[in-house]
Amino acid sequence: EVQLVQSGAEVKKPGESLKISCKGSGYSFTSYWIGWVRQMPGKGLEWMGIIYPGDSDTRYSPSFQGQVTISADKSISTAYLQWSSLKASDTAMYYCVREATQYYFDYWGQGTLVTVSS
Amino acid sequence: QSALTQPASVSGSPGQSITISCTGTSSDVGGYNYVSWYQQHPGKAPKLMIYDVSNRPSGVSNRFSGSKSGNTASLTISGLQAEDEADYYCSSYTSSSTDVVFGGGTKLTVL
Repeated sequence: EVQLVQSGAEVKKPGESLKISCKGSGYSFTSYWIGWVRQMPGKGLEWMGIIYPGDSDTRYSPSFQGQVTISADKSISTAYLQWSSLKASDTAMYYCVREATQYYFDYWGQGTLVTVSS
Repeated sequence: QSALTQPASVSGSPGQSITISCTGTSSDVGGYNYVSWYQQHPGKAPKLMIYDVSNRPSGVSNRFSGSKSGNTASLTISGLQAEDEADYYCSSYTSSSTDVVFGGGTKLTVL
């Protein structure tokens, strides 16, 4: 069974750093792109970027380029999303997704809620 | 990159059919057959319902169907059921630098 299991909810202060994770299982982790999707409170889905764990090729939405870093450790089948300096506007639910053959997402993680508040 | 345009809300009675539209441009919806649809119940992760415009993943009810005409894709739900009440999002490949763009979402209410 394919699963994407994300790390737990986080509460942080503005300016702090954070790295959340997404562990894949039940499939060949290095053979599928893993992406990240943001959903701010009460809002829609936003595409952040994607990584191919096989060779760490990474692409970012222009809206998120320079704001976050996407990485992966294929030895433990885990992808990451990290911030070096959080802002209150980063408060959101973050989903990791597996990209199937072309540009659609067949499996979603359960989501990680990030709350940034002073 | 602007989001694809969806109606904010649609509604229908049990047993009826509804259609949700998703309008883009020739750089996304109109230019490629890479439109997908996702269902999201409150507090849950989205679920893939349609991919490549009109294909249903295994396990998705055949009451859900997708189509496309020009720059507008559509999701049709027939025989509405109470459990279909959810938010629905379209997505498309885009030739812009983002690769993927989502619609703003549509809230479906089953009356």
